[in-house]
Amino acid sequence: KAGVTQTPRYLIKTRGQQVTLSCSPISGHRSVSWYQQTPGQGLQFLFEYFSETQRNKGNFPGRFSGRQFSNSRSEMNVSTLELGDSALYLCASSNTGVGGTEAFFGQGTRLTVV
Amino acid sequence: GNSVTQMEGPVTLSEEAFLTINCTYTATGYPSLFWYVQYPGEGLQLLLKATKADDKGSNKGFEATYRKETTSFHLEKGSVQVSDSAVYFCALISQAGTALIFGKGTTLSVSS
Repeated sequence: KAGVTQTPRYLIKTRGQQVTLSCSPISGHRSVSWYQQTPGQGLQFLFEYFSETQRNKGNFPGRFSGRQFSNSRSEMNVSTLELGDSALYLCASSNTGVGGTEAFFGQGTRLTVV
Repeated sequence: GNSVTQMEGPVTLSEEAFLTINCTYTATGYPSLFWYVQYPGEGLQLLLKATKADDKGSNKGFEATYRKETTSFHLEKGSVQVSDSAVYFCALISQAGTALIFGKGTTLSVSS
């Protein structure tokens, strides 16, 4: 079956702009999580959605937001972009999203803020 | 809070050498433990996992044993190949948790 699909793969934005990233999970998966990967901070959890509800949120400013649609597809939005938002953004999907359930990752969206 | 510490890299080995990447964790209760691998320009792939103490996860020649007494989950492989060159991440998730907590990653470079 098809894996997790993230679009676009690459983005270049200017400081102050906003950006929307998209994630299509594996068919049947209801949990979608987002992570930010940077050389300095490593992989950090942004938020997790299950059946259109945000169940968990990491320690990121309110400029980072997300949502999940009824078909489980998810989007994350970053407003008022800063240079430090440059990162690889990874999306993961799983059946339940809880505990030892395996999470499947997409290839990521590489965001560059200039 | 929960955390994962893994050995700093890079780790440079010759083909067929033995590999160990150390990983220790801090967590309450009984988390599940994972090793993920990331190849250049790619996302994360699950390499192996263990969900309870003394479980051994294994895949593609890699192994790791969940040691609760030492709070460790060290990754081992008996004979590495050039194709194993990648970044390896140790991670945990609590029993009822929905967020993976990752170590900083260890870069492995294998030469022929």
